Amino acid sequence: EAQVTQNPRYLITVTGKKLTVTCSQNMNHEYMSWYRQDPGLGLRQIYYSMNVEVTDKGDVPEGYKVSRKEKRNFPLILESPSPNQTSLYFCASGTQPYNSPLHFGNGTRLTVT
Amino acid sequence: TQLLEQSPQFLSIQEGENLTVYCNSSSVFSSLQWYRQEPGEGPVLLVTVVTGGEVKKLKRLTFQFGDARKDSSLHITAAQPGDTGLYLCAGEPDSWGKFQFGAGTQVVVTP
Repeated sequence: EAQVTQNPRYLITVTGKKLTVTCSQNMNHEYMSWYRQDPGLGLRQIYYSMNVEVTDKGDVPEGYKVSRKEKRNFPLILESPSPNQTSLYFCASGTQPYNSPLHFGNGTRLTVT
Repeated sequence: TQLLEQSPQFLSIQEGENLTVYCNSSSVFSSLQWYRQEPGEGPVLLVTVVTGGEVKKLKRLTFQFGDARKDSSLHITAAQPGDTGLYLCAGEPDSWGKFQFGAGTQVVVTP
């Protein structure tokens, strides 16, 4: 089954404790992206990747890191999480051209205390 | 700053009524996409509109792309409880990859 898999689904952590949210897709998509979703703000793009070893900042990259060493994986790293990073995070993947659909994972609910 | 403005933010209607959701921008988009998101899940693509003035139908849902490719609308005819969800518009205003989303319209259809 074609899918985007995020782990974990839920995560509660404390300020400053490094964490990684994993994202994996099995559709051989070149494009992958991370979003955070907050009430009233919709989905805001954190980082995106056009292909292996190619990443770029979205609209809200501060406090986040990503890497794209393999085509299927695109982990999101929070080196020193803070409470304002409490949010619902989504990973998405897609093919070119630009008007192809984005396929989303089921989200990771992160709480930073 | 939200590049794509959606209105209304919330819509509650009775089963059988019609509704329209709007997505507006001051920027030109090469295409716009509409997604629906249900609680606990990621957004799922409904449609992509590419050509200015284009109208696409998906059963009881009608999508329109403005002639100037700056706005789009979603019209639902005879809404059903299964139409309940968060409707999001999305597009790429400039460089490829920087997908922008609207804040969404929460639609609730009660029986």
